[in-house]
Amino acid sequence: EVQLLESGGGLVQPGGSLRLSCVASGFPFSNFAMTWVRQAPGKGLEWVSAIDGSGVSIYYADSVKGRFTTSRESSKNTLYLQMNSLRAEDSAIYYCAKNMNTAKYDYWGQGTLVTVSS
Amino acid sequence: QSALAQPASVSGSPGQSVTISCTGTSSDIGDYNSFTWYQQHPGKAPKLLIYDVTNRPSGVSSRFSGSMSGNTASLTISGLQAEDEADYYCSSYTFSSVVFGGGTKLTVL
Repeated sequence: EVQLLESGGGLVQPGGSLRLSCVASGFPFSNFAMTWVRQAPGKGLEWVSAIDGSGVSIYYADSVKGRFTTSRESSKNTLYLQMNSLRAEDSAIYYCAKNMNTAKYDYWGQGTLVTVSS
Repeated sequence: QSALAQPASVSGSPGQSVTISCTGTSSDIGDYNSFTWYQQHPGKAPKLLIYDVTNRPSGVSSRFSGSMSGNTASLTISGLQAEDEADYYCSSYTFSSVVFGGGTKLTVL
């Protein structure tokens, strides 16, 4: 059974940093690209970042480029999202998702809430 | 302003059919054969419903179907049930990112 478990969310002040983790199980982690998608309270889904199975090709939304860094550690079946210079508008539930194929996500984690506020 | 336009809300009675549209408004959409639909119940993670316009993952009810006409993808839910009340999002990709529609809230009357 495929499982994705995010952690690392919480309350952080504007300008602060946070690192999210997503532990994957139930599938060959290195064989699949992974994606971060976020959802602000009461709002729609927003694609944040994607990383290929090897960790070589990484893509970011313009809204987070230069502030967020996505990485993965195959030995730990874990996906990461390092978030720096956080802004109020980064407040959202952050989901990790397994790519079935380009831009299609067949499994999602339960999400972790990030709140940026003073 | 999303590159994919969806109606904010639709509604239907149990047993009826409803259709949710998703119109590509940008010439940046990379592949009009790659539209995807997700269902999201309140407080839950999204669930993949339809991919590549018409394909259903295993385990998804045949009451959900997808189609495409021009630059508009559609999700049709037949035989509406109370459990179908949720938010529905379409998705595709541009040359540099993935885009989601703004979402459609389906109310089962």
